[in-house]
Amino acid sequence: QVQLQEPGPRLVKPSQTLSLTCIVSDDSLSSGSYYWSWIRQPAGERPEWIGQIYFSGKTDYSPSLRSRVTMSIDMAKKQFSLRLSSVTAADTAVYSCARAYTYGPMQYFDSWADGTLVTVSS
Amino acid sequence: DIHMTQSPSSQSASVGDRVTIICRASQDIGFYLNWYQQKPGKAPKLLIFSGSNLQSGVPSRFIGSGSGTEFSLTINSLQPEDFATYYCQQSSTVPRTFGQGTRVDIK
Repeated sequence: QVQLQEPGPRLVKPSQTLSLTCIVSDDSLSSGSYYWSWIRQPAGERPEWIGQIYFSGKTDYSPSLRSRVTMSIDMAKKQFSLRLSSVTAADTAVYSCARAYTYGPMQYFDSWADGTLVTVSS
Repeated sequence: DIHMTQSPSSQSASVGDRVTIICRASQDIGFYLNWYQQKPGKAPKLLIFSGSNLQSGVPSRFIGSGSGTEFSLTINSLQPEDFATYYCQQSSTVPRTFGQGTRVDIK
């Protein structure tokens, strides 16, 4: 059973860049069967998909966040990362990384990290 | 973006009840609809993928159906561990989007 872990800062100042890294416990990061995703959930709201990255480095981002999001992947370290620039209080949420099994248009999130509460505050 | 709407937003039920949650998509998504269960402070757990496929390890009392724009999740004989919030999510197009959630609590 794969484990996803995301250590990282919990408090980010407005206008700064939020950076999170997700560490994958097994070798599935290099598998062509998965996309690697970031999802956030503000308190009391529905989850919001931020984007995904493939082992090749191909990315898809949410249009609403595309101008501020960068995702990267490091196969040697078995990790993938999220950077969200110019944060505001509206970016305060629980951020989770997740593995998405993908086969053609079929995709589902089959493993999730526990999630990290990121607070944007001065 | 495809907008996902669930109903009801909350439902009170008793152990042993049958509960049905509806999820509607703003446009045709084929069979590309997944269901997740989330408990407070925990990550969502996959229950059903591609409309009606039961994820490994999930009890058979969870049944998904539907296609196109209307889907349902039925929980037969509700158990104490089933009290949680349930989300639908479409994978037909990017960006992936979720429903607003249905909270199932104890009557």
